[in-house]
Amino acid sequence: ETGVTQTPRHLVMGMTNKKSLKCEQHLGHNAMYWYKQSAKKPLELMFVYSLEERVENNSVPSRFSPECPNSSHLFLHLHTLQPEDSALYLCASSQDPSGGYEQYFGPGTRLTVT
Amino acid sequence: GNSVTQMEGPVTLSEEAFLTINCTYTATGYPSLFWYVQYPGEGLQLLLKATKADDKGSNKGFEATYRKETTSFHLEKGSVQVSDSAVYFCALSRSSGSARQLTFGSGTQLTVLP
Repeated sequence: ETGVTQTPRHLVMGMTNKKSLKCEQHLGHNAMYWYKQSAKKPLELMFVYSLEERVENNSVPSRFSPECPNSSHLFLHLHTLQPEDSALYLCASSQDPSGGYEQYFGPGTRLTVT
Repeated sequence: GNSVTQMEGPVTLSEEAFLTINCTYTATGYPSLFWYVQYPGEGLQLLLKATKADDKGSNKGFEATYRKETTSFHLEKGSVQVSDSAVYFCALSRSSGSARQLTFGSGTQLTVLP
């Protein structure tokens, strides 16, 4: 495996379910990110972890809970979601501050909340 | 605050036509600037970048020049191909603690017809 991988690629869940999204990076990076991509809206940065410590949380509802157990893995735990949470969730990683600041993205998880 | 404004799409061109996608930004300090591309069903891929004024980023026939005087980073390609059909995102970086973060434009959908 190379780059940034995300599982599952597609997820359908009811509003009362609990599920988790997983991201793994194989690039040796030290920072990881969760983004939400909704139709016709700019990418929204949700969470940033640098050196496994959360450095930013952009006022995301508490029904989204991130976890970064080590520098290679990032999770997004989901519970009691709303239909408006349906979107593509993208994970990214970067090497800070020496990596030129570009981020490498995974393919995303397409989430549908019913 | 930092922001990125892209020309609205969708943009439809014939193969071998000239492409310009406009991008302007508002930022404090000296951000790095990026163009990302998203092909259908995939995550974002870095297309090119520029880290200081008058730098020109280039890749796969695409070019963009960091113009501080006009706060612009327009994407150009002299002859587009059908395979260039995708969504293009302009972005700038800003620092927050130890991690660099990206602010994205809303994306421009490009369709190239044979």
